[in-house]
Amino acid sequence: EDQVTQSPEALRLQEGESSSLNCSYTVSGLRGLFWYRQDPGKGPEFLFTLYSAGEEKEKERLKATLTKKESFLHITAPKPEDSATYLCAVQGRSARQLTFGSGTQLTVLP
Amino acid sequence: GAVVSQHPSWVICKSGTSVKIECRSLDFQATTMFWYRQFPKQSLMLMATSNEGSKATYEQGVEKDKFLINHASLTLSTLTVTSAHPEDSSFYICSARDGRGERGYTFGSGTRLTVV
Repeated sequence: EDQVTQSPEALRLQEGESSSLNCSYTVSGLRGLFWYRQDPGKGPEFLFTLYSAGEEKEKERLKATLTKKESFLHITAPKPEDSATYLCAVQGRSARQLTFGSGTQLTVLP
Repeated sequence: GAVVSQHPSWVICKSGTSVKIECRSLDFQATTMFWYRQFPKQSLMLMATSNEGSKATYEQGVEKDKFLINHASLTLSTLTVTSAHPEDSSFYICSARDGRGERGYTFGSGTRLTVV
């Protein structure tokens, strides 16, 4: 059974204070690891897909990395508008659906 | 990019009534759509997989007769919560996969259901 664990559950940062979110996973053959951003009362918004260990992707202040056991979402010099819940999900080789972690609620204070 | 439209965004209904939620893929065809439920401060829990032209596949513990899913076309799936009770109050989100790119799964904006 595919499993995803995210840490920390909640993170409060000052504006400009860089940090990283962790996503640990176990999956039977990784087809893809996905990062989403979710704002309150909204559906998840796609950020990145990573497919193999060593892969990295960047978008503005966000950078996602992948190893065989975990993924990190690095946030550089965050701004208050980066405040949201960040979700990690995996798709195993034989699965059509995604398995989600419980998310990290990020608050960036001005 | 792929867009999934979900309606309504919120609904309040009386206990014992039924509520229908629609999920449409606007610019792509989706033979498979997914329905999730999310409780406050918790992650998305898959309820069922909707298959165009065939029966939905429900996750363990999800009542098929309470959560009716219909996927009659390649762009529309509906979730009907029948005989709703207060414990069915939740945030329901649909998702579809656009196979054209690496975006993977696109999500609707969600429906907040409150049963009173």
